[in-house]
Amino acid sequence: GESVGLHLPTLSVQEGDNSIINCAYSNSASDYFIWYKQESGKGPQFIIDIRSNMDKRQGQRVTVLLNKTVKHLSLQIAATQPGDSAVYFCAETERGNDYKLSFGAGTTVTVRA
Amino acid sequence: SQTIHQWPATLVQPVGSPLSLECTVEGTSNPNLYWYRQAAGRGLQLLFYSVGIGQISSEVPQNLSASRPQDRQFILSSKKLLLSDSGFYLCAWTLGSVFHEQYFGPGTRLTVT
Repeated sequence: GESVGLHLPTLSVQEGDNSIINCAYSNSASDYFIWYKQESGKGPQFIIDIRSNMDKRQGQRVTVLLNKTVKHLSLQIAATQPGDSAVYFCAETERGNDYKLSFGAGTTVTVRA
Repeated sequence: SQTIHQWPATLVQPVGSPLSLECTVEGTSNPNLYWYRQAAGRGLQLLFYSVGIGQISSEVPQNLSASRPQDRQFILSSKKLLLSDSGFYLCAWTLGSVFHEQYFGPGTRLTVT
């Protein structure tokens, strides 16, 4: 079964607001956590990653937070835009098996104008 | 820059017919290559991965096989398709040991009727 899972399958956000997408994981041997964005009919696109020895990592308009105590991962998108509408997946690799990504089911984000 | 191609983009095949999906990567050498399947509304399931020519690892026993006849070519095949083989097939590549940052192709939508 999946070792990463998302809390909510859908998220509706007003344009300009911040979005927070959550993900829980169960594997204590996880090495990297990764967020991917998939637009309709396309392949997933790498957004940002964080290694298990970090708590926070920032990119352009995105921040990933990792709470190892409760095995929780989140992706924050600042000033959400219509182009952010997509399905977002969290994924993980396992230490020693880094070649293999395990994906969660995905959260569909819809941005309201 | 690197690009990844998949074809065909869409395919409708009858049950029991053979399958051949092709993936090629340009602009890089010795990539790690992956085949995933995505069922509607679900996450990605890793099917096969390859770290070199002729080296194939299977993650899920099923009605499919993979081959890597050339460094940048990855082929997904089946001798007899099942209804359950329907889905969105994605090829991805990574370089070196950065396995978690995968780059996906545009995908092939397969419908088995």
